[in-house]
Amino acid sequence: GESVGLHLPTLSVQEGDNSIINCAYSNSASDYFIWYKQESGKGPQFIIDIRSNMDKRQGQRVTVLLNKTVKHLSLQIAATQPGDSAVYFCASRDAGNTGKLIFGQGTTLQVKP
Amino acid sequence: DGGITQSPKYLFRKEGQNVTLSCEQNLNHDAMYWYRQDPGQGLRLIYYSQIVNDFQKGDIAEGYSVSREKKESFPLTVTSAQKNPTAFYLCASSPRDRGTNTGELFFGEGSRLTVL
Repeated sequence: GESVGLHLPTLSVQEGDNSIINCAYSNSASDYFIWYKQESGKGPQFIIDIRSNMDKRQGQRVTVLLNKTVKHLSLQIAATQPGDSAVYFCASRDAGNTGKLIFGQGTTLQVKP
Repeated sequence: DGGITQSPKYLFRKEGQNVTLSCEQNLNHDAMYWYRQDPGQGLRLIYYSQIVNDFQKGDIAEGYSVSREKKESFPLTVTSAQKNPTAFYLCASSPRDRGTNTGELFFGEGSRLTVL
């Protein structure tokens, strides 16, 4: 079946450094990808998304890169801040018409002061 | 403000009891979803509904039931048949029309169920 996986369960970075969180997906027909941030005890919050017809999309301090050849996407956070500490999930939308998102297991980002 | 409201935030249950988690949204979204989250795992889909009076099983529907009598409401019942119900439950909604929306899910703040 389809799967979405993150490369590292935990990522520790120094405050001010850039963070890169990676994700791999299995369904080459996925047409939409999304990154969520989840703080402890709360629901996931939208960060940024990208459609399969794009390679890169930028937001405020965040960039998502999509490499369809190797079925890989990454989330880059510039100048990481303590408030960025959270669990980050990538998700891909199935190619059918259900709108279901398939989530990866999450990477915990720890920002050291 | 528009959003998704889940209640209760924390719930304790004895083994053998059914419990119902509430999910209400005022975003006028057609589709609603229930996910289960366990430590160290991603979100797993329990049930989803794309329209009122219709719903489909997700990947881990056994031991759960839902109803969708109103567009705004999608309650989840965790039955005594669910063998390991202790988890964090997340409700989400999205517009149904994929042609005009991004596919983003809007999540509630979650309900943490603990079976004693």
